[in-house]
Amino acid sequence: AQSVTQLGSHVSVSEGALVLLRCNYSSSVPPYLFWYVQYPNQGLQLLLKYTTGATLVKGINGFEAEFKKSETSFHLTKPSAHMSDAAEYFCAVSEGQAGTALIFGKGTTLSVSS
Amino acid sequence: DGGITQSPKYLFRKEGQNVTLSCEQNLNHDAMYWYRQDPGQGLRLIYYSQIVNDFQKGDIAEGYSVSREKKESFPLTVTSAQKNPTAFYLCASSIGPWPNTEAFFGQGTRLTVV
Repeated sequence: AQSVTQLGSHVSVSEGALVLLRCNYSSSVPPYLFWYVQYPNQGLQLLLKYTTGATLVKGINGFEAEFKKSETSFHLTKPSAHMSDAAEYFCAVSEGQAGTALIFGKGTTLSVSS
Repeated sequence: DGGITQSPKYLFRKEGQNVTLSCEQNLNHDAMYWYRQDPGQGLRLIYYSQIVNDFQKGDIAEGYSVSREKKESFPLTVTSAQKNPTAFYLCASSIGPWPNTEAFFGQGTRLTVV
């Protein structure tokens, strides 16, 4: 069975600092991996996704993530945090077969201080 | 504009009552999903539907029911059998039951049992 673990339920950074949100997954087959962002009382918005091909994936708002099969990881990074990045971030996985829904991690809340 | 509409945004229910949450999409997507979100728990899958007149239980289907009579609509009924229904409910859709496509989310319905 597939699962997702997000290390750290809360991450705090200063404006301009590096953002690193960790995600590890377990899957019996090559996974499809996603990062979503959620602002308070809103739905989720896709930041980026990995399906096949290049393991470094670039997304919106300056975020990127690298798929590392040997480490079963898909960590999200951004070189310089902005106040508007404060939100909750979810990592999700879907196995490579039709008919499955996304499985989400428990989320990481990112706080950005000035 | 194309998108997913959930209504109402806030819903209050008395204990022992059934209540139905609406989800409509005009994206022409085949697959639709219902997730429940609780603080610190991430998103948990309630039901999903890959095609009209067909749906499958997710991880926490007990106390919930759905129907998929039209491609555009996937209403969720929270029955009195659901022991702890107070939560934030998110509806999503994707173009098909292919795991490598993103899910688009509605803005959510916050249900409170009073």
